[in-house]
Parts: sequence; structure tokens; C-alpha cells
Amino acid sequence: GAVVSQHPSWVICKSGTSVKIECRSLDFQATTMFWYRQFPKQSLMLMATSNEGSKATYEQGVEKDKFLINHASLTLSTLTVTSAHPEDSSFYICSARRLYSGANVLTFGAGSRLTVL
Amino acid sequence: AQKITQTQPGMFVQEKEAVTLDCTYDTSDQSYGLFWYKQPSSGEMIFLIYQGSYDEQNATEGRYSLNFQKARKSANLVISASQLGDSAMYFCAMRLYNFNKFYFGSGTKLNVKP
Repeated sequence: GAVVSQHPSWVICKSGTSVKIECRSLDFQATTMFWYRQFPKQSLMLMATSNEGSKATYEQGVEKDKFLINHASLTLSTLTVTSAHPEDSSFYICSARRLYSGANVLTFGAGSRLTVL
Repeated sequence: AQKITQTQPGMFVQEKEAVTLDCTYDTSDQSYGLFWYKQPSSGEMIFLIYQGSYDEQNATEGRYSLNFQKARKSANLVISASQLGDSAMYFCAMRLYNFNKFYFGSGTKLNVKP
């Protein structure tokens, strides 16, 4: 079945550093990937839509310079949290659409838990 | 405006019993899809079941079924014969076909008691 691989699963970094999270579709091509952020005990908040070969579309209130998204190939999208601060600590999860019974279903990566000290 | 509503923050169910998780949605679009995902403590989002707005029959996937009532704009998830491994957060989601987005509800935490 369709698998989305996300790496790293856990990352701890110092304030002011940048962190890159990778999201790969392993057995299918994903022209579009979605990046979500989830705070503890809350729902998923869509941050941006990553489009292969073009600029990402960011949701209102999401700083594009803080959260850099690159979708350079049909199987890889990356999210870079630049100059991370403790308030950026969160669970980041990527997803890609795949066909299921004729419908587009989101397949998610396992998520990346970021802790900024 | 909130498009997906899950009114049950937490639910308890006895092992082997059935449980219904509520979900209502709000859209004026005619074409949309409804989804349920399970999120165990590990954090991974696991797709469970899908219902298209034009599907006349309720979707079923093993022990999962979706009680789709279009006029009431509800898409409740029914889990039959609950198992301890069903304990997790459950999210209802909707995709509007005219938009490239999925909207998620606030989730329901299900606890299955032995």
C-alpha cells in the first residue's frame, strides 16, 4: 500500500538553529503534499500545501519565511523551520493524496516531534 | 468558519461493545468527501474509512462503518466489537472537491475498557 515516510521522528535543537524535516512518498508520486502542525490534544492545523515544481501555498497566519517548504521532486517535500524558537515546538506531520476507491485520500507520515530548547 | 464538528471530546466503551463517534459538517458544496482517521498515541494518522457525498450506501470497512445522513449533514463512525487497540484519538475530516484542502474536526478520544 501507499506509504509516506517522514524523517526525523524526533528532533531536539537549540533556539536559533534551523531544522529540516523530510517527507517522502515511497511507492507513488505525489504532486501535492500537505504539511500540518498539531499541538498537544488538539486537531491538525494545515500549514501549507506543497506543490511539486512550484511555490508552496501557505495558510493564513503561517509565516512563509519561518517555515520554508521545498517540493523539488515528485516524491520529496521538505519543511525547514528556520531560526527555531521554543514556540515552534510542536508535532509536524506531512501527508500526500493517493487514490482509494476513486477518491483522493490523505496518507500521512508518522510525524516529526520538534522540541526547541 | 468551522466546517467539521466533533462534539464528544472523550468516550468510553466496554470491550466487545459497539460505539458511535459523532461528526457533523457544514458545507454548501454538493461534491465532497468525508473521512475518518485514527491517531494512536504514537502520533501516526491512520486512514479508516471514506464516504463520498454521492454515495448512496453507507461505507463499511471491516469493523468500521460510516453512518452517512446527508440531509442532517452527519457522518458518524460506528466501531463494532471494540478492541483494546481501538483506544486512540479519532478525527473526522472533509474534503471539498473544489478546493485542495482537507478540514479536520477537533477529535474524539476513545478509551476501550477491558
